[in-house]
Amino acid sequence: SAVISQKPSRDICQRGTSLTIQCQVDSQVTMMFWYRQQPGQSLTLIATANQGSEATYESGFVIDKFPISRPNLTFSTLTVSNMSPEDSSIYLCSGLQGGGDTQYFGPGTRLTVL
Amino acid sequence: KQEVTQIPAALSVPEGENLVLNCSFTDSAIYNLQWFRQDPGKGLTSLLLIQSSQREQTSGRLNASLDKSSGRSTLYIAASQPGDSATYLCAPPPHGNQFYFGTGTSLTVIP
Repeated sequence: SAVISQKPSRDICQRGTSLTIQCQVDSQVTMMFWYRQQPGQSLTLIATANQGSEATYESGFVIDKFPISRPNLTFSTLTVSNMSPEDSSIYLCSGLQGGGDTQYFGPGTRLTVL
Repeated sequence: KQEVTQIPAALSVPEGENLVLNCSFTDSAIYNLQWFRQDPGKGLTSLLLIQSSQREQTSGRLNASLDKSSGRSTLYIAASQPGDSATYLCAPPPHGNQFYFGTGTSLTVIP
């Protein structure tokens, strides 16, 4: 199994600023993902964080707005850039261990943009 | 792209009742399916993982079934409790290990 932690757990930010969310896994995972859950909606996959290379973004999400880093097999960051109130969401990272079985999720980061 | 539908969208039952949550998906070329619960404002908790070679998986009062040919999975909750109140999501991964979630079933168990 894997335990995933995220920092910060929540933040309130001003429009136009940027926030970097950290995701730490207690064991190596082959794949890491970033999701967004807007109020009242289900999860939406933002991107797959690839170790040592550029993340793979889903349709509607771009690197300039959501730069992602993954320097090793246990750590990733997601930055929400030039924030607007529409970016207010819960952001979750997840990890998938070798074999493609159970996906583990972090507790989420609740972001409010004023 | 995989499309996932969950029915019902919301369910309210009295404590002690048995209930069934339904999940259907469009691409049956899956190798497993996972059920999660999400408490308000929290991340997802994995409940059950069914491999494509299995038809059922059980954990305590939870039983999940998978019928790949029809593109359906069900989550059965026995003797529901107020602590079961949450949103339940199913996630059948297509090839590539990317997960697409439905909108979930919001369950309320009334004491």
